[in-house]
Amino acid sequence: GAGVSQSPSNKVTEKGKDVELRCDPISGHTALYWYRQRLGQGLEFLIYFQGNSAPDKSGLPSDRFSAERTGESVSTLTIQRTQQEDSAVYLCASSPGRSLGEAFFGQGTRLTVV
Amino acid sequence: AQSVTQLDSQVPVFEEAPVELRCNYSSSVSVYLFWYVQYPNQGLQLLLKYLSGSTLVKGINGFEAEFNKSQTSFHLRKPSVHISDTAEYFCAVRPGAGSYQLTFGKGTKLSVIP
Repeated sequence: GAGVSQSPSNKVTEKGKDVELRCDPISGHTALYWYRQRLGQGLEFLIYFQGNSAPDKSGLPSDRFSAERTGESVSTLTIQRTQQEDSAVYLCASSPGRSLGEAFFGQGTRLTVV
Repeated sequence: AQSVTQLDSQVPVFEEAPVELRCNYSSSVSVYLFWYVQYPNQGLQLLLKYLSGSTLVKGINGFEAEFNKSQTSFHLRKPSVHISDTAEYFCAVRPGAGSYQLTFGKGTKLSVIP
């Protein structure tokens, strides 16, 4: 596609339920990032994938959070047993080869835990 | 480890006045630097980037930034702001080699006053 696509755009879930957020990166982009943006806050790094290397999971806030990516394609971010503090916009970005460095962002998934 | 500091969380400025948004970074390796803009209820888009070469980089919408290695800064400037520049601005840093870790500052909200 032309840009980074995230789905769903909005998700309302009950506390304690599991949710899956999806990200389709720009074709050919080797790096993929997930960030969390709470209301009125900056971007909090969660995880990034680079090609077939082991992902950098250093930003995941708890073991309820996990993410997968198959090769250089789609990624899913899973939050288990959601809590109200998980409410935020989850942003995905992808980046091409090393020399360019720029990350392109999707529109985000707004998650509301009630 | 790398970090980004945006000292000003909010910057109000009158229309047609100049503006500078400050960004300082910390990194033990050479870096790529970016400024992103987030308009209300929209995703992030790249404003400009520094990868190498000239330390003065020009971006979209009349913005420019200067990389100062000795002061580890990458301040964003515009000589005359417009109402449409009202948005949140994020500075970001990425290592120039090796890791793809992309770290953002907490953002600066620019409010242009008519």
